[in-house]
Amino acid sequence: KQEVTQIPAALSVPEGENLVLNCSFTDSAIYNLQWFRQDPGKGLTSLLLIQSSQREQTSGRLNASLDKSSGRSTLYIAASQPGDSATYLCAVSGGFKTIFGAGTRLFVKA
Amino acid sequence: DAGVIQSPRHEVTEMGQEVTLRCKPISGHNSLFWYRQTMMRGLELLIYFNNNVPIDDSGMPEDRFSAKMPNASFSTLKIQPSEPRDSAVYFCASSLAGAGDTIYFGEGSWLTVV
Repeated sequence: KQEVTQIPAALSVPEGENLVLNCSFTDSAIYNLQWFRQDPGKGLTSLLLIQSSQREQTSGRLNASLDKSSGRSTLYIAASQPGDSATYLCAVSGGFKTIFGAGTRLFVKA
Repeated sequence: DAGVIQSPRHEVTEMGQEVTLRCKPISGHNSLFWYRQTMMRGLELLIYFNNNVPIDDSGMPEDRFSAKMPNASFSTLKIQPSEPRDSAVYFCASSLAGAGDTIYFGEGSWLTVV
């Protein structure tokens, strides 16, 4: 059974700092891994999708890496801004299912 | 595109009442998912439809829960009878090609059963 773990559960950083969010999964037989952002009271917004054959994806200040063999992914946020404050969830897809981690709650202080 | 549209956004109902949540997926998407989010259990997949056919309903918690997708542009999740432990945010999501593709979420239906 696939399990997805995200560390840390919460993170508070000053504006401008570069930061890394971590995601680990137990079953390496995945199709892809997605990183989502969730703002309070809102749905999830997909940030990046990494196919199982890829090592990383970049979008603006965001860079996500995938090491399928070790069951790990990281989301790197460069030059963080207060507007980045949200909960970030990773999700792995295999078969018909997409399994989500519990998320990392990020707060960027101005 | 308007994105995934859910209704109602908020519902407060009494225990024992029937609750119907509605979802309109993104046009052209052939996969639809219903998720439930709670503080205790996080985000859980309830049911997955592909081309309007339920493929995996193993996440549906009890017989009190049922979901239908009569056509490509509409789905419902029904709870009958509702219980306080059903209080959660219910998300509908869709994708172009199943779980292997980018998943787009609606804004959620916030359900409170008192």
